[in-house]
Amino acid sequence: ELKVEQNPLFLSMQEGKNYTIYCNYSTTSDRLYWYRQDPGKSLESLFVLLSNGAVKQEGRLMASLDTKARLSTLHITAAVHDLSATYFCAVANFGNEKLTFGTGTRLTIIP
Amino acid sequence: NAGVTQTPKFQVLKTGQSMTLQCAQDMNHNSMYWYRQDPGMGLRLIYYSASEGTTDKGEVPNGYNVSRLNKREFSLRLESAAPSQTSVYFCASLGGLVNTEAFFGQGTRLTVV
Repeated sequence: ELKVEQNPLFLSMQEGKNYTIYCNYSTTSDRLYWYRQDPGKSLESLFVLLSNGAVKQEGRLMASLDTKARLSTLHITAAVHDLSATYFCAVANFGNEKLTFGTGTRLTIIP
Repeated sequence: NAGVTQTPKFQVLKTGQSMTLQCAQDMNHNSMYWYRQDPGMGLRLIYYSASEGTTDKGEVPNGYNVSRLNKREFSLRLESAAPSQTSVYFCASLGGLVNTEAFFGQGTRLTVV
């Protein structure tokens, strides 16, 4: 059964610093997603990663995928307070379409 | 374009009562999902439907039933609510195109007393 693990679960970082969130998954998957969730809100899509070596960037966030290692990273550059949120990764396969989420990383940016 | 619409947004039930959560999407997506979110537990998949006419169990299906009424609608039913089903429920849909992400409804906050 597919398992998706994220670490760290909680992350407190100062503004201006860089950090990386890791997402490991246990079986081969076709698609990897990153989502953001603000407290009390729904999930907002950040990135879709499809192939080995895929890298996508939006503002201070950059996501990458290593399908051989079954690992995706979400890198935060020069963090700002607005990035405080919970970040989830999720994986799915074409065919059965089961979409499985990681446990999330709660990120707090401290001024 | 409404995306994914869930109703109701809030609900309080007494133990043993039943209710149906409704979800509809207008993006012509094939796949639809129901998740529950509890503090510290992330999103856990209850049931999903990869296409109209099919449904499959997720990680935590016990106590729930689903119906994929048509391509647009996917409902979640609690036949006899229990306090352990107090949670926030999210519906999502996913298209078949390679670059499509899953879209989420606004969530239903359910309290069972």
